[in-house]
Amino acid sequence: QKEVEQDPGPLSVPEGAIVSLNCTYSNSAFQYFMWYRQYSRKGPELLMYTYSSGNKEDGRFTAQVDKSSKYISLFIRDSQPSDSATYLCAMMGTNFGNEKLTFGTGTRLTIIP
Amino acid sequence: SAVISQKPSRDICQRGTSLTIQCQVDSQVTMMFWYRQQPGQSLTLIATANQGSEATYESGFVIDKFPISRPNLTFSTLTVSNMSPEDSSIYLCSVSTNMGRKQYFGPGTRLTVT
Repeated sequence: QKEVEQDPGPLSVPEGAIVSLNCTYSNSAFQYFMWYRQYSRKGPELLMYTYSSGNKEDGRFTAQVDKSSKYISLFIRDSQPSDSATYLCAMMGTNFGNEKLTFGTGTRLTIIP
Repeated sequence: SAVISQKPSRDICQRGTSLTIQCQVDSQVTMMFWYRQQPGQSLTLIATANQGSEATYESGFVIDKFPISRPNLTFSTLTVSNMSPEDSSIYLCSVSTNMGRKQYFGPGTRLTVT
């Protein structure tokens, strides 16, 4: 079993819809949770960064972390064609052996105008 | 966040040769990392580039195959040595000033080995 599982998609939704992207993980040592957006032929761009459980909102983006379920989500409201990209979750622990970023495989998202 | 550049952006190389990839940051950073991204797979950490000392390699990656230099706080190189088609991938550098938690990535180098 992979430490981080992410549905690869592809996921296609109409413009204006709410998008939900999710990752599950198995390592209870993970404390820091991130979402990256990667456009085609570009490097990953840090979108959201959260520590421990809870919600964080930034504009149209909301990140949720449920450590009890080992489940994280990224919600995109009022989705735009410019949101079309691959979204990668990443996480990291704080104790020895868990201080590196572990990534999901990414979900490819297309917003249809 | 820092501005990160990589050279070359892409290259096509012959089997058995070596390629050195450069990563330049516009400000001093404490930590620099090198990743590999293969189609349909997660980003995989190759090594942490340490300034003034040897890089720290992850399991499955060795210095002879992926020598890394980091002469100062704004620059690092990754060499892919004695290449085979299995080394065809995107190589990314990232930087962090926050114990590696917030990492910012360069644009990547797309390598094809024939």
